[in-house]
Amino acid sequence: EIVMTQSPATLSVSPGERATLSCRASQSVRSNLAWYQQKPGQSPRLLISGASTRATGIPARFSGSGSGTEFTLTISSLQSEDFAVYYCLQYNNWPPWTFGQGTKVEIK
Amino acid sequence: QVQLVESGGGLVKPGGSLRLSCAASGFTFSDYYMSWIRQTPGKGLEWVSYSSSSGSSIYYADSVKGRFTISRDNAKNSLYLQMNSLRAEDTAVYFCARSPGFSHMDVWGQGTTVTVSS
Repeated sequence: EIVMTQSPATLSVSPGERATLSCRASQSVRSNLAWYQQKPGQSPRLLISGASTRATGIPARFSGSGSGTEFTLTISSLQSEDFAVYYCLQYNNWPPWTFGQGTKVEIK
Repeated sequence: QVQLVESGGGLVKPGGSLRLSCAASGFTFSDYYMSWIRQTPGKGLEWVSYSSSSGSSIYYADSVKGRFTISRDNAKNSLYLQMNSLRAEDTAVYFCARSPGFSHMDVWGQGTTVTVSS
């Protein structure tokens, strides 16, 4: 089973600042990596698939990069609606499909 | 618009059974693979089960294998999860989600809560 590790657990950022979230896989997942955003009381929303392809309707301030075992989600200028929990998912080696434990982006 | 609506959650005693349903609308259900994912405060997001578009290929997490059964009715645009021999550790919010293949999940339902407690 591939273990996905996200860091940091919590990221404190001021509105307008840049946020950089990391996701590491225990073995290569090539570019088969997705990022999700989840707000309290809501279901996860797809942001990025294929490590760097934004989903439909996702603002350009969200960008994904990386391949193999190291991945990054960057939010270039945080807006108030971006404060949420972010998860990565690997879908290269399955079953099982495995998620990271999440990074909470909170207001500084 | 594309929508997934789960139902069937509730309170059940350990050892009991529950059947979750997921009603799909706004897209051609039979073209998509579907999965169940659960979420707990302690363990985060955990993939539970996956079904191919026809239902001919199915996978389960080890934690539910032999106890849970995924199925779908493409004529009714519905996905199901039959959960038997429930344990306290099955307590979670259960989401159904759509996938373009055995891949990432691109649309999620709002979730239904399952509580296993005596």
